[in-house]
Amino acid sequence: TQLLEQSPQFLSIQEGENLTVYCNSSSVFSSLQWYRQEPGEGPVLLVTVVTGGEVKKLKRLTFQFGDARKDSSLHITAAQPGDTGLYLCAGAAMEYGNKLVFGAGTILRVKS
Amino acid sequence: GAGVSQSPSNKVTEKGKDVELRCDPISGHTALYWYRQRLGQGLEFLIYFQGNSAPDKSGLPSDRFSAERTGGSVSTLTIQRTQQEDSAVYLCASSLARTSGQTGNEQFFGPGTRLTVL
Repeated sequence: TQLLEQSPQFLSIQEGENLTVYCNSSSVFSSLQWYRQEPGEGPVLLVTVVTGGEVKKLKRLTFQFGDARKDSSLHITAAQPGDTGLYLCAGAAMEYGNKLVFGAGTILRVKS
Repeated sequence: GAGVSQSPSNKVTEKGKDVELRCDPISGHTALYWYRQRLGQGLEFLIYFQGNSAPDKSGLPSDRFSAERTGGSVSTLTIQRTQQEDSAVYLCASSLARTSGQTGNEQFFGPGTRLTVL
């Protein structure tokens, strides 16, 4: 059982479409991070959110931390083929010793 | 470059053999983490080193797994008597401080070692 449930597991869309991926848990996290991982490489941090209800924007990516700090979403506007990759959410919580716990990820494929 | 490096990039071994995986963290980073990533799954925490403190081994799946960090820099993850279920990508990450997830305490990952146990 994943401590952080990500959905969908796989998403294939056309260039220019919008999408949202979700990260949900029954635990409360002190902070939550989103990473992107490309094949053969390690994950790269996109954003950290720490305040319930916080919204952060990174160009065409919008990240939101739920009010109760149990969930998060990543919205991509006008997806590009370069957005293709594995998107991982990771949370830190005292009950897990403040170690990062990772979700299983969402594989995104953007077709041109 | 100045990033985290790992070697080998790929390792194929026979069941029952021992393997050593190496991680060179970013210079100056006091925290070092090992993760395992199975196909289609997220990252599974294995072990964490912070400075001269005793390592957090709470994620090691069995006593066949061990790791050391020499001189506060390079780390080696050793898997003894490998099993087919050990096949995965092993990722190393380093950061400036212990508490992950806080703003500014970004973990920087290496490219991983893909281990295949036949």
